[in-house]
Amino acid sequence: GAGVSQSPSNKVTEKGKDVELRCDPISGHTALYWYRQSLGQGLEFLIYFQGNSAPDKSGLPSDRFSAERTGGSVSTLTIQRTQQEDSAVYLCASSLDLAGGSYEQYFGPGTRLTVT
Amino acid sequence: DQQVKQNSPSLSVQEGRISILNCDYTNSMFDYFLWYKKYPAEGPTFLISISSIKDKNEDGRFTVFLNKSAKHLSLHIVPSQPGDSAVYFCAASARGGTSYGKLTFGQGTILTVHP
Repeated sequence: GAGVSQSPSNKVTEKGKDVELRCDPISGHTALYWYRQSLGQGLEFLIYFQGNSAPDKSGLPSDRFSAERTGGSVSTLTIQRTQQEDSAVYLCASSLDLAGGSYEQYFGPGTRLTVT
Repeated sequence: DQQVKQNSPSLSVQEGRISILNCDYTNSMFDYFLWYKKYPAEGPTFLISISSIKDKNEDGRFTVFLNKSAKHLSLHIVPSQPGDSAVYFCAASARGGTSYGKLTFGQGTILTVHP
């Protein structure tokens, strides 16, 4: 079956521009997560969505970052006025059910963002 | 504050031998632990997990051990194969508190298995 997909796979943008990153989770997965991995670092949690509950935005590094999930499926991560420190691989993951205790998250291939 | 730490950035082993990857955590609320494997240009792939009610979980060549008193877990791969060469991430989650629903990852360990 189809896994988590992300687009674009690579994005190069100029400092100060806005970017949108897209994630298509596995069909039927109610929880969706965004992480980022900076060079040489582990994965850093950004935000997660679970069903119709309010998203947990506690990992967003600044108010330039926002995310939405439409219709409980596709999610878009938006970074406004990009800075060079935003350069990283942005990873999306989905899982079946958060409350049920299934914590196995399935990751997409990531979007490599480079801010010049 | 690094709540999940993998202190060895890299590990090199011979094919057929045992690989042991280590992970330490500081948050006592963590009660579920996972190992992910990551190849270049791909997202992490779930490998094996363990709940805090257990101290061992085995799946084929992969075994995860959990020592709650030491806040330490390890992944054993026996026998190691060249195809196991990848970055291995330890991750932790909690059923309550501010970590609920999130995976907190370590920095990763690069495993190289030589033929």
